[in-house]
Amino acid sequence: KAGVTQTPRYLIKTRGQQVTLSCSPISGHRSVSWYQQTPGQGLQFLFEYFSETQRNKGNFPGRFSGRQFSNSRSEMNVSTLELGDSALYLCASSFVPGPQETQYFGPGTRLLVL
Amino acid sequence: SQQGEEDPQALSIQEGENATMNCSYKTSINNLQWYRQNSGRGLVHLILIRSNEREKHSGRLRVTLDTSKKSSSLLITASRAADTASYFCATIGTGNTGKLIFGQGTTLQVKP
Repeated sequence: KAGVTQTPRYLIKTRGQQVTLSCSPISGHRSVSWYQQTPGQGLQFLFEYFSETQRNKGNFPGRFSGRQFSNSRSEMNVSTLELGDSALYLCASSFVPGPQETQYFGPGTRLLVL
Repeated sequence: SQQGEEDPQALSIQEGENATMNCSYKTSINNLQWYRQNSGRGLVHLILIRSNEREKHSGRLRVTLDTSKKSSSLLITASRAADTASYFCATIGTGNTGKLIFGQGTTLQVKP
């Protein structure tokens, strides 16, 4: 069974631009979460989606948004990029949301904002 | 901000030795999980311990949980060079959510 895939793997943008990252969960998984990892703040929760609905949102500004499609694939968008948005963005999937579900992480998208 | 703190931040040992990492957290939890990350890549799930469990084993891994002290430890026995990675504890709070709150991580180097 294929794992979680994220595209693109690497991205370079300039300040003020916007970016869209994509995540395809493991087949059959319907819950997708996103995390941001930076050297300073570590791993921080961004969003949790299930059945095309956002169930939970982390403490990030409105420039960060996301959505989930009917096939469970998810995208996240960051508008008006800032230097501090440079990070590794990780996506995780599970069958359903819930504390007992093992979450499987993708390889991440490394975003560099210049 | 992170809920958990991990100790030590970095650990260097020889192959064959045991490695112990500690994690503390602040609020009530449903469970605590440990993840491994190689060189800034994706996270690999290692083990999950529920709030009503005190100890759990998986291969060379042993995890303990003390909810009264809000702390957990991960022991890797007979370490190998391939165990070199960053290790993160993550908690899930009460409620029906999969939201993980991560600690800052411990970087483990196992020298051959």
